[in-house]
Amino acid sequence: EVQLVESGGGLVQPGGSLRLSCAASGFTFSSYWMSWVRQAPGKGLEWVANIKQDGSEKYYVDSVKGRFIISRDNAKNSLYLQMNSLRAEDTAVYYCARDPPYCSGGSCYEQSYYFDYWGQGTLVTVSS
Amino acid sequence: SYELTQPLSVSVALGQTARITCGGDDIGYKNVHWYHQKPGQAPVLVIYRDSNRPSGIPERFSGSNSGNTATLTISRAQAGDEADYYCQVWDSSTADVVFGGGTKLTVL
Repeated sequence: EVQLVESGGGLVQPGGSLRLSCAASGFTFSSYWMSWVRQAPGKGLEWVANIKQDGSEKYYVDSVKGRFIISRDNAKNSLYLQMNSLRAEDTAVYYCARDPPYCSGGSCYEQSYYFDYWGQGTLVTVSS
Repeated sequence: SYELTQPLSVSVALGQTARITCGGDDIGYKNVHWYHQKPGQAPVLVIYRDSNRPSGIPERFSGSNSGNTATLTISRAQAGDEADYYCQVWDSSTADVVFGGGTKLTVL
């Protein structure tokens, strides 16, 4: 059974830092692109960042570039999000999500650009 | 940046058909994915690449995509279908994953 379990959320002051973790199990973690997606209270979903299977490619939404760092440890089946210079607008539930590879018409692709499994999320609150 | 537009809310009578739209510039040229999310729960994928259903998703859920509008159709709506629904695409020009604002489905 595929499981994604986030941890590390909590209350932090503006300007502070926090590191989120996502423990993966039930699948070959090193074969998947992974993402962080967040949801502010009462708001919609917002993609935050993603990372390639071997960590060699990383992409971020503009609002977190230069402040957040996504990383992974395939030996530990874990995904991370280092969040620095936190702002009130970063307050949200943060989900980790899996992006599956797929094959079609004789070609195979590393990612599908959608999320087939999600964790239950961890709440980050930025407030003084 | 690419934007997706969804109605804030859609209502449907029990047993009838609900249609939730997702608008975007030439969205028909993109792969559109749909999720539902119930209060306090994580999102769940219900349609991928316009019209494909993951295992475990009822056949009542279907999708289409053409021109500037993608549509999620829920046939024979049930009370358990009440949720927020989000469309999502990948914007190749920015490498961003983009979500629509979400639609709250109410089953009357």
